[in-house]
Amino acid sequence: DTEVTQTPKHLVMGMTNKKSLKCEQHMGHRAMYWYKQKAKKPPELMFVYSYEKLSINESVPSRFSPECPNSSLLNLHLHALQPEDSALYLCASSQDGVEAFFGQGTRLTVV
Amino acid sequence: AQSVTQLGSHVSVSEGALVLLRCNYSSSVPPYLFWYVQYPNQGLQLLLKYTSAATLVKGINDFEAEFKKSETSFHLTKPSAHMSDAAEYFCAVHTNAGKSTFGDGTTLTVKP
Repeated sequence: DTEVTQTPKHLVMGMTNKKSLKCEQHMGHRAMYWYKQKAKKPPELMFVYSYEKLSINESVPSRFSPECPNSSLLNLHLHALQPEDSALYLCASSQDGVEAFFGQGTRLTVV
Repeated sequence: AQSVTQLGSHVSVSEGALVLLRCNYSSSVPPYLFWYVQYPNQGLQLLLKYTSAATLVKGINDFEAEFKKSETSFHLTKPSAHMSDAAEYFCAVHTNAGKSTFGDGTTLTVKP
């Protein structure tokens, strides 16, 4: 299995809602990442987990809360988002911390 | 600090023509360089990577790139464009500190 699976593929949420994005990989990779990508822009790194511990937080607002329950799963909890948070959220994993394998993303719309 | 510059935000070629997408990097350490392709509303797919082995790197779908240290370049080429190559292409430099820097992307259009 060489895939990174993200669910859901699409999500529409209100500004008062709480939702979660999920990411799963079964490649035994030690590092997992969350990226945010706005239209016509490159991905922007949000968080990095290494060996299930948060190692990088790129000054992301607290309305985004990552969680790594185990080595195969990565969640991104969302609360009180703003319309400008609408974007494609990409998960990735890596064994060596260099080459990253990306999921297909969750298209998030905040209304 | 690393940075990546992709020259040309839009490139248009005819089907069957040579594809050349340009990428220049800045890095204080030997870089790991990657090219990714992204189709609309999808994730990034790795085309090829340079990790300090051979300077001419071959990837999927007949893409290749040449690492030129003297020019700090890692340009992507394909001898003959196909309609299915139309997509967004990102050059990226990675470090083993877990961080990555992407270029702004190049939109490739392929005309019939």
